[in-house]
Amino acid sequence: AQRVTQPEKLLSVFKGAPVELKCNYSYSGSPELFWYVQYSRQRLQLLLRHISRESIKGFTADLNKGETSFHLKKPFAQEEDSAMYYCALRALGNEKLTFGTGTRLTIIP
Amino acid sequence: NAGVTQTPKFQVLKTGQSMTLQCAQDMNHNSMYWYRQDPGMGLRLIYYSASEGTTDKGEVPNGYNVSRLNKREFSLRLESAAPSQTSVYFCASSGLTEAFFGQGTRLTVV
Repeated sequence: AQRVTQPEKLLSVFKGAPVELKCNYSYSGSPELFWYVQYSRQRLQLLLRHISRESIKGFTADLNKGETSFHLKKPFAQEEDSAMYYCALRALGNEKLTFGTGTRLTIIP
Repeated sequence: NAGVTQTPKFQVLKTGQSMTLQCAQDMNHNSMYWYRQDPGMGLRLIYYSASEGTTDKGEVPNGYNVSRLNKREFSLRLESAAPSQTSVYFCASSGLTEAFFGQGTRLTVV
């Protein structure tokens, strides 16, 4: 069974400070990992995926298979980063996505 | 390209009333989902459909029914609404790349 855990429901960080949103997963096969973001009163949208290995809006995430983690990081938080963030997992070749329960990130000016 | 379209955007129901939330996608995705989002709870999966004619219960299916009559559409029905079903509902679809979400339906049951 696939499971995604985001241990922090709420996270507050000062502007300019580093941000790390934690995501751990359980899956025995090869996973694809994603981060989705939901800004206030907007629909969820893809932020980044581990396969593309890119930085989006200054955020990066590295898949650590040994620790089964996919933490989202940004070196310097900006006020516009305040949003709800969801980690998601999919088995390779399978369409179904499993989401974590989300972390609400608040950037303090 | 419309993506995922949900209707209605807002709805107020009285306890015991029924309603159907409609969702349609134009991306030829097989997988479709219904989630509810509550403060402090994040996204919770109500039902999932892997393909036309198939549906699976998610984490919180009680009080809901779904219908996947064709590949494009996946509807969510509340037969007898309860105040505990006050929430924001999201429909989503996914293929082998990413998931796309609708804009949400804000439902209030009084």
